[in-house]
Amino acid sequence: GAGVSQSPRYKVAKRGQDVALRCDPISGHVSLFWYQQALGQGPEFLTYFQNEAQLDKSGLPSDRFFAERPEGSVSTLKIQRTQQEDSAVYLCASSLGFWDNEQFFGPGTRLTVL
Amino acid sequence: DAKTTQPPSMDCAEGRAANLPCNHSTISGNEYVYWYRQIHSQGPQYIIHGLKNNETNEMASLIITEDRKSSTLILPHATLRDTAVYYCIVRSQGGSEKLVFGKGTKLTVNP
Repeated sequence: GAGVSQSPRYKVAKRGQDVALRCDPISGHVSLFWYQQALGQGPEFLTYFQNEAQLDKSGLPSDRFFAERPEGSVSTLKIQRTQQEDSAVYLCASSLGFWDNEQFFGPGTRLTVL
Repeated sequence: DAKTTQPPSMDCAEGRAANLPCNHSTISGNEYVYWYRQIHSQGPQYIIHGLKNNETNEMASLIITEDRKSSTLILPHATLRDTAVYYCIVRSQGGSEKLVFGKGTKLTVNP
């Protein structure tokens, strides 16, 4: 496909479970971003990769959140020991890699922690 | 990056122009104004951006005041598919690539 894809689209986890969310960016896009969107709020930045390098992880809310992009393409956001406050839509975006390039967003993964 | 202020909601009749305002009174000289929108259950989508001149593309027009303290996004002929949350974002030239979203304006286009 031509766009950013994310899987799964929906995830239900019991509190304390670990989850892994996948993002497939647009081919050739250097930059990859993860955002978290709580209900009724705008997306909030979590972390940013340029190729395989994680250049900014200032938005990760706790050390339970971990992201990787080992080969500079697909990225995984992992949340350990999920809590109810982690319930949100997790959005992935990619861009060509310059600050003013358009970011293309995926449809998001809706995580519900029970 | 400068803070932006947008009305929480607006309504527009189908076929009419939708004018969405944004205040960014603390904007500095190297900061651009960006607009994204988010249709329900989708990721945000880029619309347009500008520095100080008015800009137009196939989706919308962006009018920035001369003092750059506010701007207006114009959808010239709104359709039902334009119903979405519209985010006005200020970004520094050469700064961080991340986007800082506020709460945006929920635009409802009515038939």
